Amino acid sequence: AQSVTQLDSHVSVSEGTPVLLRCNYSSSYSPSLFWYVQHPNKGLQLLLKYTSAATLVKGINGFEAEFKKSETSFHLTKPSAHMSDAAEYFCVVGSVVGGSQGNLIFGKGTKLSVKP
Amino acid sequence: NAGVTQTPKFRVLKTGQSMTLLCAQDMNHEYMYWYRQDPGMGLRLIHYSVGEGTTAKGEVPDGYNVSRLKKQNFLLGLESAAPSQTSVYFCASSYSQGVLVRYGYTFGSGTRLTVV
Repeated sequence: AQSVTQLDSHVSVSEGTPVLLRCNYSSSYSPSLFWYVQHPNKGLQLLLKYTSAATLVKGINGFEAEFKKSETSFHLTKPSAHMSDAAEYFCVVGSVVGGSQGNLIFGKGTKLSVKP
Repeated sequence: NAGVTQTPKFRVLKTGQSMTLLCAQDMNHEYMYWYRQDPGMGLRLIHYSVGEGTTAKGEVPDGYNVSRLKKQNFLLGLESAAPSQTSVYFCASSYSQGVLVRYGYTFGSGTRLTVV
């Protein structure tokens, strides 16, 4: 069985400070992990993905995430927040064998607020 | 531009009315999905399809029906709308299972439905 837990429902940072959005997963098999971003009143956009290559994954807009198997984590980070980063972020897990229904499992989302 | 197109973008229904949401993709994806998004609940899978002519239930299928008569289209129907179906609906598509976990989903921009 697979599951994903986003540890914070809401994170607030000041512009120019680091961003950390936390995600833990559970998977019986070697997982693939994704982060999606949703800006207000918009659809979901793929930010980055881990698929068993390098454990440090770089995405769009300066975001990156590190896959840590020992900690079953895939936290999303950015060195310096920008006002345009304010959005909701979803951590997603999937695996080839476990995903027998052919879908991915979504976390409940973390809303990021950026203060000027 | 290639992608997933949802129509309509907004709709207001009265309780008991019916409607159909259309999803169209031009990426030759095998899999298609309908999700609903509600505050604090993340994305919940309603129905999905692993190919033309096939559909299956997801996590929250009650009150909805779907059809996939053509590979590129996936229709979501509400036969008798209820206020509990007020939500934002997202369609997504992907490659078949083995490839899915390397590429993730492509999402449409959503349909905001209000049932009064």
